[in-house]
Amino acid sequence: AQKITQTQPGMFVQEKEAVTLDCTYDTSDPSYGLFWYKQPSSGEMIFLIYQGSYDQQNATEGRYSLNFQKARKSANLVISASQLGDSAMYFCAMREDSGGGTSYGKLTFGQGTILTVHP
Amino acid sequence: GAVVSQHPSWVICKSGTSVKIECRSLDFQATTMFWYRQFPKQSLMLMATSNEGSKATYEQGVEKDKFLINHASLTLSTLTVTSAHPEDSSFYICSAIRQGGQPQHFGDGTRLSIL
Repeated sequence: AQKITQTQPGMFVQEKEAVTLDCTYDTSDPSYGLFWYKQPSSGEMIFLIYQGSYDQQNATEGRYSLNFQKARKSANLVISASQLGDSAMYFCAMREDSGGGTSYGKLTFGQGTILTVHP
Repeated sequence: GAVVSQHPSWVICKSGTSVKIECRSLDFQATTMFWYRQFPKQSLMLMATSNEGSKATYEQGVEKDKFLINHASLTLSTLTVTSAHPEDSSFYICSAIRQGGQPQHFGDGTRLSIL
């Protein structure tokens, strides 16, 4: 089974509107972390936001917020007030903490969502 | 500014050549570095986990004799694609984590084209 699922291959949003990018995950590990990264066409991976499995509150970073619904195993990214520069591929990723040892920190990525912001 | 530097940014070379890609953490010690491969419009696939001073841990299906990883210091890991062939053409990207810290910081990636 997929550990991280992003069901939206592509999303379109009007500039200044909000958009939600979906991410669901599957783990039996009680301790894990969820990440969102942005990858522009140039290729670099830009860290956006992090949510720990024990965090009580949803993470926020500027225009980015993470809608964490633990029981549903979802960690959707909300981008408010979209900008043209937000057009990129977005990846959801999970780190499972029980592995430990030499594999600590290993991330599993979703398939990605291409976001296009229209003027 | 960038905290992980990856070099070179792109490489074009002939089939049969070996290519070395460097990944450096610039202002922190990285006990663990990761190497990923990415095909166009696809996700990042983890190739191996590189720990300083020990052998790399390769993911299933990744040929360790083909993709040699060396993590000789706390700030440098290298990936060598040996006897590269056109099917090895891809985007390779590394990442590093600070000791006890998150998140993973990524290099800018290397576009490898084998002719």
